[in-house]
Amino acid sequence: DVKVTQSSRYLVKRTGEKVFLECVQDMDHENMFWYRQDPGLGLRLIYFSYDVKMKEKGDIPEGYSVSREKKERFSLILESASTNQTSMYLCASSLTAGGADTQYFGPGTRLTVL
Amino acid sequence: TQLLEQSPQFLSIQEGENLTVYCNSSSVFSSLQWYRQEPGEGPVLLVTVVTGGEVKKLKRLTFQFGDARKDSSLHITAAQPGDTGLYLCAASTGTASKLTFGTGTRLQVTL
Repeated sequence: DVKVTQSSRYLVKRTGEKVFLECVQDMDHENMFWYRQDPGLGLRLIYFSYDVKMKEKGDIPEGYSVSREKKERFSLILESASTNQTSMYLCASSLTAGGADTQYFGPGTRLTVL
Repeated sequence: TQLLEQSPQFLSIQEGENLTVYCNSSSVFSSLQWYRQEPGEGPVLLVTVVTGGEVKKLKRLTFQFGDARKDSSLHITAAQPGDTGLYLCAASTGTASKLTFGTGTRLQVTL
């Protein structure tokens, strides 16, 4: 059974803190994605990675960075958290490059920045 | 950035009613997917459509991809409380793994 896990379900941080969100997939997928989800805006792509140590900016990369040192793990980093980064963060993975491929999602991390 | 507009944004209906959710764009897509997200969980794929005019059925759910591949609809027949959730369309241009997600339709089905 496919599985994408995220390190925390809920996280509360203070403005200016450095925040790490971890995502692990056990399906040997090539591609991994980080989205944020806000009411009325759907899912917006922050960054994605199609291979180890490779990354590409999504639609809203400002204020975020990512790291993919191993195939199964994709980390999202908020260098200096701000209140407008309060959101639900979803990680996903897919097997191959190709828009018709299924993306498998983790349960999400609800981040609150105070 | 391509935009996918979904309508309606919210829908509250009673068990047994029928409903249709729409996903529209001005861009042409090579494929379109529908996902359902339940509270506390990530989205789960329901269907992928790739051919203009294509219709797919999944039990009481019928999905259609527009002839021009710019829009899609999801029709649910005889809705049940288990259909409650957030429905998201997602489209690809086919040149990369990236998906553009719609704004979402939150469906509540009550007894």
